[in-house]
Amino acid sequence: DQQVKQNSPSLSVQEGRISILNCDYTNSMFDYFLWYKKYPAEGPTFLISISSIKDKNEDGRFTVFLNKSAKHLSLHIVPSQPGDSAVYFCAASVGRETSGSRLTFGEGTQLTVNP
Amino acid sequence: DTGVSQNPRHKITKRGQNVTFRCDPISEHNRLYWYRQTLGQGPEFLTYFQNEAQLEKSRLLSDRFSAERPKGSFSTLEIQRTEQGDSAMYLCASPPGGYNEQFFGPGTRLTVL
Repeated sequence: DQQVKQNSPSLSVQEGRISILNCDYTNSMFDYFLWYKKYPAEGPTFLISISSIKDKNEDGRFTVFLNKSAKHLSLHIVPSQPGDSAVYFCAASVGRETSGSRLTFGEGTQLTVNP
Repeated sequence: DTGVSQNPRHKITKRGQNVTFRCDPISEHNRLYWYRQTLGQGPEFLTYFQNEAQLEKSRLLSDRFSAERPKGSFSTLEIQRTEQGDSAMYLCASPPGGYNEQFFGPGTRLTVL
């Protein structure tokens, strides 16, 4: 049972344009969502997160949108840069205020930003 | 650099051998997680420690797997009688207290021949 799904295995965009990565979830108990970036042979790097009490969180070039009714979130990167090329993982957890919240990850989307 | 270190970075072993990995989390973080990532998949939860207590284990953690965190500091993950299906990246994560943003180490890449 894949509770977090990223349906696009890959995405290619031009430098300077917007990258939009999508993620869907099925478990309505999830109340905290995160995006990680991963380069080959390295561990995931935390990018940005959002609590279920919000619908948008912004940090520099990165914005995460949450649509709870659709159980959908997206990560917008603008402007995209070649250094953003990596695999992006969506993750979710239960219990924002509870210690011990494991992360459930999607399968990842390979983003390629072309110069 | 997240401050979480893992050793070794790479391990190649023959089927049937035992292997042990180590994770050194950020010193003031009392929670520690182990995940496993196979090719084309996202990381999957294996187990979780609060200080030295192992509080949760995934059904992915078969009897051949054991994890410890003596004195609530570093943690070890041992796999006995390795199988080819154990080949994966093993990741350790350490979140700040009260937060769900987990900071990952570089991982240990295990290859079972």
